[in-house]
Amino acid sequence: DGGITQSPKYLFRKEGQNVTLSCEQNLNHDAMYWYRQDPGQGLRLIYYSQIVNDFQKGDIAEGYSVSREKKESFPLTVTSAQKNPTAFYLCASSIPSRAGDTQYFGPGTRLTVL
Amino acid sequence: DAKTTQPPSMDCAEGRAANLPCNHSTISGNEYVYWYRQIHSQGPQYIIHGLKNNETNEMASLIITEDRKSSTLILPHATLRDTAVYYCIASRGATNKLIFGTGTLLAVQP
Repeated sequence: DGGITQSPKYLFRKEGQNVTLSCEQNLNHDAMYWYRQDPGQGLRLIYYSQIVNDFQKGDIAEGYSVSREKKESFPLTVTSAQKNPTAFYLCASSIPSRAGDTQYFGPGTRLTVL
Repeated sequence: DAKTTQPPSMDCAEGRAANLPCNHSTISGNEYVYWYRQIHSQGPQYIIHGLKNNETNEMASLIITEDRKSSTLILPHATLRDTAVYYCIASRGATNKLIFGTGTLLAVQP
């Protein structure tokens, strides 16, 4: 089965701890993205990566870090510097197309910081 | 990327067509119109996208006005499983940064 997997589905952490969210895709897509969603809100872009070993900040990158060492993987670390880390985190991937790129999303990880 | 405007909520009877409107009056010539939906606590699901022409796939039809300032997503025979938040997004697709607003909550009624 091809797709995007995120783990775990639910994650609980104590305040002040760093936590890493996993995102893996076997779609052979070049680009990958991390979004954050707060209750009743749309998605906001945290980081994106168009190619291995390269990534750019999105609109709300402060308090987050990423790496892209492999095409299939784009882990997101939520650091203790992130003031309000409790949220639903979504990973996506896409491949360029002349007919317009399309992003495909994973199932999400719900992070709760206690 | 252009801003889009959608009604916050709509109802539709099961088995009837659901027509979801979207305004994107500032859309530029190289921006596509994308539609995604999100069922509660799941990742968004791609539905359809288009540039100028109307598009149809197994899930829905997309009607874009000739001036491209608005569009309508049509679910031809809505089912209860179509209850979700529907997002209309205008994007160039270059960096493919999708700006999700708050969307339209479609409630399909039995």
